[in-house]
Amino acid sequence: DVKVTQSSRYLVKRTGEKVFLECVQDMDHENMFWYRQDPGLGLRLIYFSYDVKMKEKGDIPEGYSVSREKKERFSLILESASTNQTSMYLCASSPRIAPDTQYFGPGTRLTVL
Amino acid sequence: GQQLNQSPQSMFIQEGEDVSMNCTSSSIFNTWLWYKQEPGEGPVLLIALYKAGELTSNGRLTAQFGITRKDSFLNISASIPSDVGIYFCGGAGSYQLTFGKGTKLSVIP
Repeated sequence: DVKVTQSSRYLVKRTGEKVFLECVQDMDHENMFWYRQDPGLGLRLIYFSYDVKMKEKGDIPEGYSVSREKKERFSLILESASTNQTSMYLCASSPRIAPDTQYFGPGTRLTVL
Repeated sequence: GQQLNQSPQSMFIQEGEDVSMNCTSSSIFNTWLWYKQEPGEGPVLLIALYKAGELTSNGRLTAQFGITRKDSFLNISASIPSDVGIYFCGGAGSYQLTFGKGTKLSVIP
């Protein structure tokens, strides 16, 4: 079974803090993704990566950055957290041979106060 | 961008009933995916469809990739209480998946 894990299930941070969300997958997938999920807005793509050290902007990259130093790990960074970044953050991965078949982690519920 | 319309938005059904939900798009997709998400959890992949006309089952779940490549449906037969959750469709033409807003399913015992 594909296993995607995220470092925290729940996180509470203060406005202006730097926040790191970590995602690890154990299936040797080339592609990794970060989404946020908000009521009424559905899933929105923040960034994705199709290889180590490669990154591409998704639909809503503003206020976020990412890092992919190892194939299995994809980090999402909020340089200066703001209250409008309170959300559910979901990481996903997919193999190169089926890039659209994405497997999700359990999510991190981030609250910014 | 690509838009997906998923319907119905929510459903209340009796245990044992069959359920049907669908997604339609104005764009052609190469892949259709169906996910289930329970409260506080990430989406879990249920069924992946890769060819127009493809009909695939996973236990009591059956999904089809529409011939026009612009739609897909998911059926759940003989629903049980643990089927409760939000079901999402996803359509893809490249790396990026476009997701429906979800169908919230409630099962009344």
